[in-house]
Amino acid sequence: EPEVTQTPSHQVTQMGQEVILRCVPISNHLYFYWYRQILGQKVEFLVSFYNNEISEKSEIFDDQFSVERPDGSNFTLKIRSTKLEDSAMYFCASSRDTFTDTQYFGPGTRLTVL
Amino acid sequence: AQSVTQLGSHVSVSEGALVLLRCNYSSSVPPYLFWYVQYPNQGLQLLLKYTSAATLVKGINGFEAEFKKSETSFHLTKPSAHMSDAAEYFCAVSDRSGNMLTFGGGTRLMVKP
Repeated sequence: EPEVTQTPSHQVTQMGQEVILRCVPISNHLYFYWYRQILGQKVEFLVSFYNNEISEKSEIFDDQFSVERPDGSNFTLKIRSTKLEDSAMYFCASSRDTFTDTQYFGPGTRLTVL
Repeated sequence: AQSVTQLGSHVSVSEGALVLLRCNYSSSVPPYLFWYVQYPNQGLQLLLKYTSAATLVKGINGFEAEFKKSETSFHLTKPSAHMSDAAEYFCAVSDRSGNMLTFGGGTRLMVKP
């Protein structure tokens, strides 16, 4: 069964450093998403992406964040200058269609900012 | 704005007992509702979804949920708990565009032998 994959599973970085989290969505999916979950808190929407453009973004997704689909398979989330409060589990998801279609989630990348 | 409230961050049941996980939502438009399960060290897996068809929705692993508009609820049930059901369960609502899911805080289900 096709699945969303994410690398790395755990990333440790120093405050102020740039990090890139990578995701490989399911191959025939067209819609891509990033969510995050700070320890002990809710899963929060960050951004959705379709046709090489951001469809929607939350207030969390400020200028420090960017997303890219650099090739036909990868979908990346970049944090330019990490802060302590960026420490969280980051989930990538993809869906074939939007609206009622199911979003399939990857296993997550745990980001720890020291 | 949409919101989801899951009553009970932890629920403990005995093996074979009824599982009831509560979810209430707030939405200004007819919602689409989802239940996801997260096993340790894994991603979120869809259990079931409501998309304005039948109000009683059956999902995987014997789970089902009933959409009750009058109560703004979408509670998840399973008649008989198995040890393998121990996991964290998330209720979520989708906006009309489908661009984002809004999640509840999650309920950790523990199953006692």
